[in-house]
Amino acid sequence: AQKVTQAQTEISVVEKEDVTLDCVYETRDTTYYLFWYKQPPSGELVFLIRRNSFDEQNEISGRYSWNFQKSTSSFNFTITASQVVDSAVYFCALSHTGTASKLTFGTGTRLQVTL
Amino acid sequence: DTGVSQDPRHKITKRGQNVTFRCDPISEHNRLYWYRQTLGQGPEFLTYFQNEAQLEKSRLLSDRFSAERPKGSFSTLEIQRTEQGDSAMYLCASSFSGVDEAFFGQGTRLTVV
Repeated sequence: AQKVTQAQTEISVVEKEDVTLDCVYETRDTTYYLFWYKQPPSGELVFLIRRNSFDEQNEISGRYSWNFQKSTSSFNFTITASQVVDSAVYFCALSHTGTASKLTFGTGTRLQVTL
Repeated sequence: DTGVSQDPRHKITKRGQNVTFRCDPISEHNRLYWYRQTLGQGPEFLTYFQNEAQLEKSRLLSDRFSAERPKGSFSTLEIQRTEQGDSAMYLCASSFSGVDEAFFGQGTRLTVV
């Protein structure tokens, strides 16, 4: 069985602070894919990143960066210099396929960025 | 094409009634997915289609639930004899098969009273 744990239910930061969202996963598959999605108040899930289990290279995209560590089964997400527009619920997800079929989501972390 | 469209956005129904939701995917996306999200939880996979073929169904999809994608374009999700436990946000997504990114709609929020 697959499981994704996002232990942080809610995080509040002041604008321009850096913030890291934690994600720990469990799977017996040797090949798997990890995702991060953002869910703003409007409701739609916005894809942020996909990584496969063979690629542990960290990734940076603008203010966003991801740290994948197989040794600790973690796929953490850092927002640098947070902005109010980053306020949303962020979900980490796991799948044995590379697509959006049968994604196992965590319970999400609500990020509140204030001025 | 502005994205995945779901209709209605909100639905309130009495327990025992049938409801049907519609999802219009992004044009030319051959994969379509349905997920359900209850308050404070992450989405849970229900089913997905490749073109008109329903390739996989979750155990969450009880006999009261049926999904169709008759012409490989839009899809409908019907819930028969609704129960209070069916209250949730129903999300639809679409993608090209084999491509990373799935685009989600804004969902249909169902409230069963």
